[in-house]
Amino acid sequence: KNQVEQSPQSLIILEGKNCTLQCNYTVSPFSNLRWYKQDTGRGPVSLTIMTFSENTKSNGRYTATLDADTKQSSLHITASQLSDSASYICVVSARGTGYSTLTFGKGTMLLVSP
Amino acid sequence: DGGITQSPKYLFRKEGQNVTLSCEQNLNHDAMYWYRQDPGQGLRLIYYSQIVNDFQKGDIAEGYSVSREKKESFPLTVTSAQKNPTAFYLCASTMGSGANVLTFGAGSRLTVL
Repeated sequence: KNQVEQSPQSLIILEGKNCTLQCNYTVSPFSNLRWYKQDTGRGPVSLTIMTFSENTKSNGRYTATLDADTKQSSLHITASQLSDSASYICVVSARGTGYSTLTFGKGTMLLVSP
Repeated sequence: DGGITQSPKYLFRKEGQNVTLSCEQNLNHDAMYWYRQDPGQGLRLIYYSQIVNDFQKGDIAEGYSVSREKKESFPLTVTSAQKNPTAFYLCASTMGSGANVLTFGAGSRLTVL
């Protein structure tokens, strides 16, 4: 069964600090891995999408890494801001015929405190 | 601006009533999806449609129905057969298959009284 596990479940950090969120997956055959940011009461917004051959991808203060051998990904947030307070969701896509199956993690709830 | 519009944002329903959630996109995307989000759980797929007049059940389709008469529109009906309909519903779309990045709407929160 395809699974995506995220840790920690929730996290509180002070404004300006860095943090790293983890995502472990057991999805096969692997196609790509995405990180989404979801503000409370809103729809998720894509941060990054990584394929098998990509190890690191940045989007501003967000840097995602992927280790396809160990099936782990991380999302590093640098110099956190109050607006970073949100749920961060890891999504893994499996290759298939036609429609690609997506497996969603439960998300990490991040609170950035002043 | 291109995007996905979901309506209503909030909806209250009495038990036994059917309700329809609207989803419209002007991105010219082929595929559209409906997900359900509950606290502490990952998104779960209800229905998806890859082309007009065709749709497939997702993991939790029981108690829901959809239609895809136009490329831009993919409404979801929550029927009285859905035993626990209170949830946050998200519509999404993508060009081609689900291998591409999903664009999500802002969501609709349904509460059954």
